[in-house]
Amino acid sequence: DTGVSQDPRHKITKRGQNVTFRCDPISEHNRLYWYRQTLGQGPEFLTYFQNEAQLEKSRLLSDRFSAERPKGSFSTLEIQRTEQGDSAMYLCASSPQTGWTSGSHSGETQYFGPGTRLLVL
Amino acid sequence: AQSVTQLDSHVSVSEGTPVLLRCNYSSSYSPSLFWYVQHPNKGLQLLLKYTSAATLVKGINGFEAEFKKSETSFHLTKPSAHMSDAAEYFCVVTHRSNDYKLSFGAGTTVTVRA
Repeated sequence: DTGVSQDPRHKITKRGQNVTFRCDPISEHNRLYWYRQTLGQGPEFLTYFQNEAQLEKSRLLSDRFSAERPKGSFSTLEIQRTEQGDSAMYLCASSPQTGWTSGSHSGETQYFGPGTRLLVL
Repeated sequence: AQSVTQLDSHVSVSEGTPVLLRCNYSSSYSPSLFWYVQHPNKGLQLLLKYTSAATLVKGINGFEAEFKKSETSFHLTKPSAHMSDAAEYFCVVTHRSNDYKLSFGAGTTVTVRA
């Protein structure tokens, strides 16, 4: 399977614990995005990377959240001192490098992984 | 600034009848627009996308959408619903100026009656 993968698929933790999620993008995709989806809502942008560089962090991302993409391949999202409000689906997406190819713009389409569902008790 | 509004939070149709999911967008620039589908406990799957080429876009599984700039709309349709179409559908807008970060609508839940 050459799609985006995420691990774990489900995580239950107690309030105050730290959790870490992993995302493996489609190989050779330079862009990697993290989104959060709460129940009954559409996903919301959290942060994204161009290769190993983190280009932007949403205001939704408090200081308890940190994301890395150390070698420009997989990425991790860590939440420290989890709170009940962190319970959500965390989605990862990747896209090819932006640029013009054959008259159309690549990099617009993001391909999503299955997500990690977090429940904080 | 960019945003989308999905006008129906829930749509219920009978199998074999047409499906219409409505989406209006707001964007300071000519946007790229997408429809994604999410089945229960699954990730988001791209149905179709509009990127300033033909205004009528055909996607997978018989879905299509029409970009109407004058109405700032990008409604999704399917002539004949199938039971497997029961899912959550998201209208999404993005643009190069926003570095292609996606802005999602709140979603429309589709149920299909036998």
